[in-house]
Amino acid sequence: QKEVEQDPGPLSVPEGAIVSLNCTYSNSAFQYFMWYRQYSRKGPELLMYTYSSGNKEDGRFTAQVDKSSKYISLFIRDSQPSDSATYLCAMSASSGYSTLTFGKGTMLLVSP
Amino acid sequence: EAQVTQNPRYLITVTGKKLTVTCSQNMNHEYMSWYRQDPGLGLRQIYYSMNVEVTDKGDVPEGYKVSRKEKRNFPLILESPSPNQTSLYFCASSLSGTQETQYFGPGTRLLVL
Repeated sequence: QKEVEQDPGPLSVPEGAIVSLNCTYSNSAFQYFMWYRQYSRKGPELLMYTYSSGNKEDGRFTAQVDKSSKYISLFIRDSQPSDSATYLCAMSASSGYSTLTFGKGTMLLVSP
Repeated sequence: EAQVTQNPRYLITVTGKKLTVTCSQNMNHEYMSWYRQDPGLGLRQIYYSMNVEVTDKGDVPEGYKVSRKEKRNFPLILESPSPNQTSLYFCASSLSGTQETQYFGPGTRLLVL
């Protein structure tokens, strides 16, 4: 079983839809959870950073962590064509600068 | 503008010919990392550095070397590249050493023939 599982997609939605992106993981030591957005031919950029279980909201984005189920989600409300990108989940057991474990990424396509 | 830069952006080379990919950041960040990104395998950390002259291995360090002689620069060295090192490479830096403040460079696409 891989440490972090993420459906590669592509996930295609119309503009304005609510998008749900998910990752599951097997390592119960993970406590820090991140979502990165990566546009084509660009480096990843950090979207959301959360610690332990719970929700965190930032504008149209909501990150959710359920440690009991080892499941994390990123919700995008009112999706826009500019949200079209690959979304990577990442997690770590430590807040310090140690090894991050990434999911393989989900490609999202938002059509106008 | 705060940024992480990498050079070259694209590189084609042959097996065994030593190469260096440079990485520089202008944010006075202490922490820097190198990653490689491969289809089906995702992003994997190669090496990271907590400060000048302090480096440590990530998940896939074999075949790579790094050095951190200055705070702003963190070059990645492939002393004898092989075709299995064909990949997309990213440098990243972080101010506080937490993942919360990590910024990635634009990437270097390497092809080893």
